[in-house]
Amino acid sequence: RKEVEQDPGPFNVPEGATVAFNCTYSNSASQSFFWYRQDCRKEPKLLMSVYSSGNEDGRFTAQLNRASQYISLLIRDSKLSDSATYLCVVGGPNTGGFKTIFGAGTRLFVKA
Amino acid sequence: DVKVTQSSRYLVKRTGEKVFLECVQDMDHENMFWYRQDPGLGLRLIYFSYDVKMKEKGDIPEGYSVSREKKERFSLILESASTNQTSMYLCASSLAGESSEQYFGPGTRLTVT
Repeated sequence: RKEVEQDPGPFNVPEGATVAFNCTYSNSASQSFFWYRQDCRKEPKLLMSVYSSGNEDGRFTAQLNRASQYISLLIRDSKLSDSATYLCVVGGPNTGGFKTIFGAGTRLFVKA
Repeated sequence: DVKVTQSSRYLVKRTGEKVFLECVQDMDHENMFWYRQDPGLGLRLIYFSYDVKMKEKGDIPEGYSVSREKKERFSLILESASTNQTSMYLCASSLAGESSEQYFGPGTRLTVT
């Protein structure tokens, strides 16, 4: 089992749609959670952190479910510019220290 | 504005060549990282450094070495390039601390023929 797993997609949605991605992690001791965004042929950039109480930033909402060990990202009113790959990132203690693991990403295409 | 730069965007090398990938950050970050990114596998950590002259192996260090002689510069070295090292290489930096945001460079697409 991968330490961080995401559905690779692609998710093809029309403009204005609501779309949600989930990401599961295997280490129950994980402490930090993020969503990064990576545009085609570009570097990843932080989209938002995920807190225990949830986190909302405009059209984006991130949630953490520790009991089921997954985090989610909800995008409302999708825009063409939301087309990108979304990387789930989980950090926590591991043998030898702290470890940050990037998921392989979920591709989103928003179409007019 | 945080800036992480990498020495080359595209690089083509022959099998057996020694390859140097340079990364420089201008934000006085303590931590620096080298990843490779391959389709379907995501980002995999090769090496990281949390201080000058310090280095730690990541998940896939075999065939690579690193050097951090100055705080702002972190170099990745392929001692003898092989075709399975063809990949996108991404450098990142972050402040000290385990949960700090990582800032990435634009990446180097390395092809080994």
